[in-house]
Amino acid sequence: ETGVTQTPRHLVMGMTNKKSLKCEQHLGHNAMYWYKQSAKKPLELMFVYSLEERVENNSVPSRFSPECPNSSHLFLHLHTLQPEDSALYLCASSGGVTGGSPLHFGNGTRLTVT
Amino acid sequence: DAKTTQPTSMDCAEGRAANLPCNHSTISGNEYVYWYRQIHSQGPQYIIHGLKNNETNEMASLIITEDRKSSTLILPHATLRDTAVYYCIVRVNTNAGKSTFGDGTTLTVKP
Repeated sequence: ETGVTQTPRHLVMGMTNKKSLKCEQHLGHNAMYWYKQSAKKPLELMFVYSLEERVENNSVPSRFSPECPNSSHLFLHLHTLQPEDSALYLCASSGGVTGGSPLHFGNGTRLTVT
Repeated sequence: DAKTTQPTSMDCAEGRAANLPCNHSTISGNEYVYWYRQIHSQGPQYIIHGLKNNETNEMASLIITEDRKSSTLILPHATLRDTAVYYCIVRVNTNAGKSTFGDGTTLTVKP
């Protein structure tokens, strides 16, 4: 149990599908993040939310749409993806964007786009 | 973020201490050193962090040189379950969440 739960663990979708990834944290943190980890590449930061407001968007294509309805939940809505979007998508939380709290990660969603 | 340099891979015998080095020669005075590890198919796990003093917790020890240009993560008694990719990151502590991950060091603990 990591305190950060991601669902589903595995997802296979076609390029025309629409799906959503879900992340929930039980740590009382107020910042949440999406990272992407492609095969043989370092983790790439995608989005950062602090107190449900997006504070960082690292030039991510619009086919990825994040949503943070409250400080405990984070979604990543996917549509019209490409095969190169296949990757491990990791959610993390921390005590705050400011304040120096380390990241706590979930175990990720393994996404395959066919 | 300051750039960090880590060896690509290291081996360690089970039960021995694993010493993982990290160079961060351009670190700023207000940047902390963080260590994470990632076991295959799992999310990264926070290990330890520090500013200039050595730190120890139940998982590991962190030794930071006096000039802060390098650090060493020490796993005192490595087990097979410590086989993982270890990431060294330096961040201003006011913005710890936006951590930039490099390629890390793949530590293999052998029986």
